[in-house]
Amino acid sequence: AQSVAQPEDQVNVAEGNPLTVKCTYSVSGNPYLFWYVQYPNRGLQFLLKYITGDNLVKGSYGFEAEFNKSQTSFHLKKPSALVSDSALYFCAVRDMNRDDKIIFGKGTRLHILP
Amino acid sequence: DSGVTQTPKHLITATGQRVTLRCSPRSGDLSVYWYQQSLDQGLQFLIQYYNGEERAKGNILERFSAQQFPDLHSELNLSSLELGDSALYFCASSVGAGGLLNEQYFGPGTRLTVT
Repeated sequence: AQSVAQPEDQVNVAEGNPLTVKCTYSVSGNPYLFWYVQYPNRGLQFLLKYITGDNLVKGSYGFEAEFNKSQTSFHLKKPSALVSDSALYFCAVRDMNRDDKIIFGKGTRLHILP
Repeated sequence: DSGVTQTPKHLITATGQRVTLRCSPRSGDLSVYWYQQSLDQGLQFLIQYYNGEERAKGNILERFSAQQFPDLHSELNLSSLELGDSALYFCASSVGAGGLLNEQYFGPGTRLTVT
């Protein structure tokens, strides 16, 4: 069965430092991978996706993610964190070979410290 | 079973038509969220209602509208349908006005096919 794991409930990073939010996945076929962000009192917002091609995917707000097939990971990164990046981040996976709903991770709360 | 119900499960209609999707939240939940899931965009947040009032708006087209009724069920109206509107539409509910994903309970979705 397809699944996605975000091993950290919370990540704290000082403003200006690089940040990484981890995600690993499990699917039977080839994955579609997504990152979403949720700001307080808002629904999910799409950040970026990987379907095929270049392993480094660039998305909104300066975020990028690296697809690593051998490690089945799709970590979210940003070179320099902003306080406004503080939010809840969700990794999601969809198995390209199955017509299933997208599966979301539990989420990682990112705190950027001024 | 999340407790959130959506009807119909499948809907096939033609371009230019109008459809209404219905969602009943979990008992006791006051917030209803609508999402659109497509292959290329994944899950996109459309709109949220809390206790009958619009709470937050996402990437909802002007051709789309929603409302939440006094009994807290919600309807999503899609008009002047285009082929690109074909997608899976999810409703989610939560107790409060905020919404952590792990507090949002998703319905099974309505699959809309526009031909």
